[in-house]
Amino acid sequence: NAGVTQTPKFRILKIGQSMTLQCAQDMNHNYMYWYRQDPGMGLKLIYYSVGAGITDKGEVPNGYNVSRSTTEDFPLRLELAAPSQTSVYFCASRGLSETQYFGPGTRLLVL
Amino acid sequence: GDSVTQMEGPVTLSEEAFLTINCTYTATGYPSLFWYVQYPGEGLQLLLKATKADDKGSNKGFEATYRKETTSFHLEKGSVQVSDSAVYFCVWYSGSARQLTFGSGTQLTVLP
Repeated sequence: NAGVTQTPKFRILKIGQSMTLQCAQDMNHNYMYWYRQDPGMGLKLIYYSVGAGITDKGEVPNGYNVSRSTTEDFPLRLELAAPSQTSVYFCASRGLSETQYFGPGTRLLVL
Repeated sequence: GDSVTQMEGPVTLSEEAFLTINCTYTATGYPSLFWYVQYPGEGLQLLLKATKADDKGSNKGFEATYRKETTSFHLEKGSVQVSDSAVYFCVWYSGSARQLTFGSGTQLTVLP
């Protein structure tokens, strides 16, 4: 049982480039989330999904897109990277309880 | 609006010292409350939780009591260890919004 996995662990992007952050969970959880964590701050919710085919915006969705074609996968897409998107990105999932399970994070640097 | 306010860090303690990290929340209704911990280079892990007033969550020697009258959920440990060095987040869950709201985190460093 791997839990929540994220790839890559670290990435450097140039301004204007695009990339997809991958997230997968093997716990058959319906709920999945994407957060960003800026230095010295708590986590901010970017997007979330309550099941395959259903996604919704969180607190800071601008500049990002998501899709949820399967229960297991919840990729986060950055179309035109900007320096303000330099952050650590965490994916999380949960089942019926309120407890969320987090992946190890992806550190993104936009230069 | 709804929010979580927790004690600012960083906090530096000697091994075996007593730890308190304060957390208060502002929310409509009675949310579930959590403490999550983030060890260096890792994702967040649930440390403990309480789902209703007067509940006490506990794990690994840490405790926190859900105080409705003071809207608080302070984290305590009687004797910290070097291995407790991490960032601690106070978090509450809104069932209506189906989202977690995070405090800003408190960096704890325990020195041998």
